[in-house]
Amino acid sequence: SQKIEQNSEALNIQEGKTATLTCNYTNYSPAYLQWYRQDPGRGPVFLLLIRENEKEKRKERLKVTFDTTLKQSLFHITASQPADSATYLCALERAGNNRKLIWGLGTSLAVNP
Amino acid sequence: DAGITQSPRHKVTETGTPVTLRCHQTENHRYMYWYRQDPGHGLRLIHYSYGVKDTDKGEVSDGYSVSRSKTEDFLLTLESATSSQTSVYFCAIKGSGGDTEAFFGQGTRLTVV
Repeated sequence: SQKIEQNSEALNIQEGKTATLTCNYTNYSPAYLQWYRQDPGRGPVFLLLIRENEKEKRKERLKVTFDTTLKQSLFHITASQPADSATYLCALERAGNNRKLIWGLGTSLAVNP
Repeated sequence: DAGITQSPRHKVTETGTPVTLRCHQTENHRYMYWYRQDPGHGLRLIHYSYGVKDTDKGEVSDGYSVSRSKTEDFLLTLESATSSQTSVYFCAIKGSGGDTEAFFGQGTRLTVV
């Protein structure tokens, strides 16, 4: 069955450092991979999307990489701030699958001042 | 912010009673989804819709039904609520393109006592 794994343990880092979150998948060939942020009591909010034929995508302090050989995506937040503290979710979508997203459980990030 | 609203935001109901949650969008997006989110399980797809009157089951559809009689509204019904359906329910919408993000509602916290 399709499986998506994200770091299950919370990630604690110091303000100003780079946070790196991992998303691994098996038995799946995604056409698109997306990253979302979720704050407590709120719905997920979209951050970045990367296509299967792209290696890297950037948006301000955020960077996503996508390695279809390793079946892995890395999500980086540079110059992290306490306001970046949240849970980050990875989601995969196959082409032609009625746009259904398959979700990881998320990784909790805490940025300490 | 994307135009998507859920109602009610909170509800407490008794075991065995029917419950309907509403999702309303103003974005004219084709795809609509109902998820539940529980600790340790992440976001799990209950039902989704790919057009008016076009719906299909997700991975945890037992005990739930949906209806979409017009583009903007997607209703989720718990036919006879059980304590195992206590959860946070999220509605999401998505455009037709593969490289489009999902927008989530604020969530409905449902407690079945």
